[in-house]
Amino acid sequence: KAGVTQTPRYLIKTRGQQVTLSCSPISGHRSVSWYQQTPGQGLQFLFEYFSETQRNKGNFPGRFSGRQFSNSRSEMNVSTLELGDSALYLCASSLSPGQGGAFFGQGTRLTVV
Amino acid sequence: ELKVEQNPLFLSMQEGKNYTIYCNYSTTSDRLYWYRQDPGKSLESLFVLLSNGAVKQEGRLMASLDTKARLSTLHITAAVHDLSATYFCAVENTGNQFYFGTGTSLTVIP
Repeated sequence: KAGVTQTPRYLIKTRGQQVTLSCSPISGHRSVSWYQQTPGQGLQFLFEYFSETQRNKGNFPGRFSGRQFSNSRSEMNVSTLELGDSALYLCASSLSPGQGGAFFGQGTRLTVV
Repeated sequence: ELKVEQNPLFLSMQEGKNYTIYCNYSTTSDRLYWYRQDPGKSLESLFVLLSNGAVKQEGRLMASLDTKARLSTLHITAAVHDLSATYFCAVENTGNQFYFGTGTSLTVIP
């Protein structure tokens, strides 16, 4: 059974650009959540999707957005990139919200220069 | 806002020794998770604790949950080098929304 797949694995972008990250959950999983990991702030919740609907959103500016498609794949978008957006972005999937934990992808390492 | 405090932040221990990592959280929750992260890697699920008094063991690691005290512990028995990693506890708020502790960076010294 394939795990959570995130693409791309690495990205280098320039300040002011925008970026889109992709996450394919485990087959059959319908809940996807996104996290940002930085050395200074640790792991912070970005947002969660279930059945194409955003259920929860963390405390991040509106430059961070996401969506989920009917096949449960999810994308997150960051517009007008700032240096501080450099981070490891992790996607997690679960069967449905609250169903026994989440499985994390390998992450996308975003570097903003 | 839900807060999760983990200590210690850094732990250097000799092989063969025992130690405990503590995770305190600020809200009532019955769902507590422990993850392991190796450098440059993703999060690997270790334990899922879903009720008060839950205890789970896997190899040299044992996790427990006291929901009344809002405390979970991860106990390491007779540490070996392969256990060197960063360990995170996480509390599930609603659905798939996790609040993570700061992480404990464990180094096991031969």
